[in-house]
Amino acid sequence: DTEVTQTPKHLVMGMTNKKSLKCEQHMGHRAMYWYKQKAKKPPELMFVYSYEKLSINESVPSRFSPECPNSSLLNLHLHALQPEDSALYLCASSQDPPQGAGNQPQHFGDGTRLSIL
Amino acid sequence: AQKITQTQPGMFVQEKEAVTLDCTYDTSDQSYGLFWYKQPSSGEMIFLIYQGSYDEQNATEGRYSLNFQKARKSANLVISASQLGDSAMYFCAMRDNNQGGKLIFGQGTELSVKP
Repeated sequence: DTEVTQTPKHLVMGMTNKKSLKCEQHMGHRAMYWYKQKAKKPPELMFVYSYEKLSINESVPSRFSPECPNSSLLNLHLHALQPEDSALYLCASSQDPPQGAGNQPQHFGDGTRLSIL
Repeated sequence: AQKITQTQPGMFVQEKEAVTLDCTYDTSDQSYGLFWYKQPSSGEMIFLIYQGSYDEQNATEGRYSLNFQKARKSANLVISASQLGDSAMYFCAMRDNNQGGKLIFGQGTELSVKP
């Protein structure tokens, strides 16, 4: 079982809907990440949170809105998505703060498979 | 900029045989780390093994070992005694400490284990 829990596992939504993806970790990790992954491609970083503050936004469209309510929880709010946003969304966490030079691995959740109709 | 190259889009291996998945990297950093992840069709990215640039020994974790050749900038993953459950996508990755710790991934190798 993964130590990073993502819900829901599958999500189908229309382009006008508002939904949220949830990610939770209880490993005491200081950094949390959102990735987007298309089929047969590597994950692409979207956002990084360090100590509950947004540290990196990889020029992600504003229809994706991240939120880190506390050190264990990371949300991704979705609004007015496009069909090309259909993908697997992966959450990850790591012990090292992103600004450091550490090399602890990132631990990933199972992902949410998102389909935009 | 850091770069990871995986030149094998797909590979086949017979069950119980060993297989090597290639990974080369490019970085100007003196201190760096390399990671291998496994991604089954279910989607989860599973951390397999880590090699630090200053580690003198090649990393091993059970049936996984890393053939680290620093001068050649290669970090190949060796899976011994392949099992059907090893069929998955495998990604080599490097952490970019100059870009907020983001993982730089290779394009991946899809491994299929045949019975």
